[in-house]
Amino acid sequence: QQQVRQSPQSLTVWEGETAILNCSYEDSTFDYFPWYWQFPRESPALLIAIRPVSNKKEDGRFTIFFNKREKKLSLHITDSQPGDSATYFCAASAGNTGYQNFYFGKGTSLTVIP
Amino acid sequence: AQTIHQWPVAEIKAVGSPLSLGCTIKGKSSPNLYWYWQATGGTLQQLFYSITVGQVESVVQLNLSASRPKDDQFILSTEKLLLSHSGFYLCAWSPNTGQLYFGEGSKLTVL
Repeated sequence: QQQVRQSPQSLTVWEGETAILNCSYEDSTFDYFPWYWQFPRESPALLIAIRPVSNKKEDGRFTIFFNKREKKLSLHITDSQPGDSATYFCAASAGNTGYQNFYFGKGTSLTVIP
Repeated sequence: AQTIHQWPVAEIKAVGSPLSLGCTIKGKSSPNLYWYWQATGGTLQQLFYSITVGQVESVVQLNLSASRPKDDQFILSTEKLLLSHSGFYLCAWSPNTGQLYFGEGSKLTVL
C-alpha cells in the first residue's frame, strides 16, 4: 500500500503563477513531513518540512499547508520561477529520535514556463 | 558541517558482473545511514538502513547487499548485476532528529 500519495503527476504553470502540489498519507503516526526537490541528474535536496504541531510552514516563496484531520498537505510555490522547474517529492516519517523510516511519494514534475 | 560523499559518480557495467558502491560521511558520529534506489523518472525506494557499525537491515530484496564496515562508511554491493539494477543509487544520512540528507548519487547503467 502506498503510504504517501502525490498529485498531480505533472504540473505546468506560467512564471509568476502559484503552483500547488498535493500530498496525502495513510499512517496517522507520521510526525515529520519533508518536501524534497530534485533537478535532472542531481540528488534530492531538502526544501522545506513541517511537523503536525503546525498547520503552516513558510520559507520565502514556499509554503506547506497541513491538514492533520484529513491527512493531507500541500506545497504552494508563489511567484513561480523557471528555476523552480524540478520534480518535487513529498515524504513522511515517524519518530524524531533513533531510527526513522522515510516513505516517499512518486513525485510531481513541475515545469514553469517563462 | 557534515558532508556525505558517494563513489563512483557513474558506472557502466555488464550483466553478471560484480558491483560495489560506497558512501562516506564526515562530521557526524554514529549517523543513521540509508541506501535508496531510484529508477529513471521514478520514486525513491529505500533498500537498506544501518543504525550502527556492523548492523544492516534490508528493506527490499533486490539481489543486493550492504555493509557498514566503519562508523562513517556504507557499502552497497552485489556479485551479479541484473539489467533491473540500472538506476540512480543514493546514500543518505539522518541525524536522528527527523531530517534525511542525500549524497550526490551514483548512476549505474547495466548493459
